[in-house]
Amino acid sequence: AQKVTQAQTEISVVEKEDVTLDCVYETRDTTYYLFWYKQPPSGELVFLIRRNSFDEQNEISGRYSWNFQKSTSSFNFTITASQVVDSAVYFCALSEARGNEKLTFGTGTRLTIIP
Amino acid sequence: DTGVSQDPRHKITKRGQNVTFRCDPISEHNRLYWYRQTLGQGPEFLTYFQNEAQLEKSRLLSDRFSAERPKGSFSTLEIQRTEQGDSAMYLCASSRYRGTDTQYFGPGTRLTVL
Repeated sequence: AQKVTQAQTEISVVEKEDVTLDCVYETRDTTYYLFWYKQPPSGELVFLIRRNSFDEQNEISGRYSWNFQKSTSSFNFTITASQVVDSAVYFCALSEARGNEKLTFGTGTRLTIIP
Repeated sequence: DTGVSQDPRHKITKRGQNVTFRCDPISEHNRLYWYRQTLGQGPEFLTYFQNEAQLEKSRLLSDRFSAERPKGSFSTLEIQRTEQGDSAMYLCASSRYRGTDTQYFGPGTRLTVL
């Protein structure tokens, strides 16, 4: 069975601070995919990144960066120089490469950026 | 490129009534997924289609729930004899079938059962 844990339920930081959202996953598969989605107050899930289990290179996209460590089964997400528009609920998700690719989500981290 | 659309966006119904939701995927996507999200939780998988074939259903999907995708394009999710516990956001997502491709989500249908 697969599982995603986001231990941080809520985080608040002052604008321009850096913030890291933690994600720990469990799977028995050797091939799997990890995702981050953002859910702003409007409710629509917005895709941010996908990573496969064979690619442990960290990735940076503007103010966003992701740190994937198979040794600790973690896929953490860092926002640098946070902005008010970053306020949202962020979900980490896992899919196993068995053909259906259904996503297993964590419970999400609500991030509030204080102006 | 038009995204995933869902209709209605909000639905309020009385317990015991039937409701139907519609999802229109991104046009070239042949996979379509339904998820349910309750307050404070992450989305949970309900079912998915590849073209018109329903390939998997979660045990969360009771006999009161039925989903169809008759022509491999839009999909409907029907809930019969609604219960208060069905109150949730129902999310639809679509993807290509090409190895593992990213699922793109619609805005969701928020169901409130009184």
